[in-house]
Amino acid sequence: AQSVTQLDSQVPVFEEAPVELRCNYSSSVSVYLFWYVQYPNQGLQLLLKYLSGSTLVKGINGFEAEFNKSQTSFHLRKPSVHISDTAEYFCAVSRGTSGSRLTFGEGTQLTVNP
Amino acid sequence: NAGVTQTPKFQVLKTGQSMTLQCAQDMNHNSMYWYRQDPGMGLRLIYYSASEGTTDKGEVPNGYNVSRLNKREFSLRLESAAPSQTSVYFCASMGQLDQGNSPLHFGNGTRLTVT
Repeated sequence: AQSVTQLDSQVPVFEEAPVELRCNYSSSVSVYLFWYVQYPNQGLQLLLKYLSGSTLVKGINGFEAEFNKSQTSFHLRKPSVHISDTAEYFCAVSRGTSGSRLTFGEGTQLTVNP
Repeated sequence: NAGVTQTPKFQVLKTGQSMTLQCAQDMNHNSMYWYRQDPGMGLRLIYYSASEGTTDKGEVPNGYNVSRLNKREFSLRLESAAPSQTSVYFCASMGQLDQGNSPLHFGNGTRLTVT
């Protein structure tokens, strides 16, 4: 079985400050990892994904994440946030291959204040 | 370039009524999923279909049934709606990850209220 834990349910930050959203996972096999963003009243959009290769993954909107196998973590970072980054962020894990179950964390609400 | 299309966008049901949520994708993906999203609980998998002709239960299948009508379409049915099924429902599809293809694509959701 696999599981995902997002360590912070809410993260308030000021505009132009750096931010880190934390995600830990557990799985007995190799996994693929994702971060999704959900803006109010919309569906989920992919920010970035780790399938293999470099452990530092760059995504859209200036976000990046680092896969740490020893710590089973996949934390999301952005060096300078904007008001428009206010949204809910979901970490997800998949065992890979078509048809795998994708398991989501409970979400982190990022609120960027002026 | 529609991606994943869900209908309806909004629905209000009375307890005991039935309805079917429709989902279609035009990306030739093998896998399709139904999730529900509730405040503070993230997305929970109801059912998924790894390929045409197969369906499997997820975390919260009770009270729901699904049909993988063909490769494009995957419907979710509530036979007798209950207030606990008030939620936002998302359909998603996914191609083969290990071929570097597209990851999970979501529809825009169906907001269901059961009174």
